[in-house]
Amino acid sequence: DQQVKQNSPSLSVQEGRISILNCDYTNSMFDYFLWYKKYPAEGPTFLISISSIKDKNEDGRFTVFLNKSAKHLSLHIVPSQPGDSAVYFCAASESNDYKLSFGAGTTVTVRA
Amino acid sequence: EAGVTQFPSHSVIEKGQTVTLRCDPISGHDNLYWYRRVMGKEIKFLLHFVKESKQDESGMPNNRFLAERTGGTYSTLKVQPAELEDSGVYFCASSHWGAGPQETQYFGPGTRLLVL
Repeated sequence: DQQVKQNSPSLSVQEGRISILNCDYTNSMFDYFLWYKKYPAEGPTFLISISSIKDKNEDGRFTVFLNKSAKHLSLHIVPSQPGDSAVYFCAASESNDYKLSFGAGTTVTVRA
Repeated sequence: EAGVTQFPSHSVIEKGQTVTLRCDPISGHDNLYWYRRVMGKEIKFLLHFVKESKQDESGMPNNRFLAERTGGTYSTLKVQPAELEDSGVYFCASSHWGAGPQETQYFGPGTRLLVL
């Protein structure tokens, strides 16, 4: 039933290096994809999104890549900073559908 | 601008009791959503209000859950009677009606519910 999967529950990366987070989806009707970031005891905050008509979207240190044929997207954070330590959720939605389907999250730890 | 607020931040109740969660969306946001995260798993959609109307309640787990948004402002989510599997973090989110489904959803800090 879970349509968005984040198979890596955790990721540890050294400060200054690249963080790569992966996400797979099974619903071919999804056409809008998002990444949310969550700190402990806070709600998720929107980070970056991509529409299915694109294969890449960049915003500062954050880049999301979409591979529709593989039903896969990834988030690259370059360079990683200590403040990037958080849980990252991948989410997706269908056209004209307001509800978001989320993955289980990947906990990123950036080591000094 | 104040963000989405939720009350209480934590709630511990016994199985069979009733709990009511409250969400105050960002002022002017017509869309209001409830989501739930159980046991560190994925965040799951519960329902979506547009103003005071339920637009989509496909994610509501069963009839023990009742959501309301009288007057189209704040919303409440009541669980009655609560069961052990209802434990989790309940998030509320809101967004503008504006450009449609791709309007950013802003989340509150969540209510952590523990049913014993």
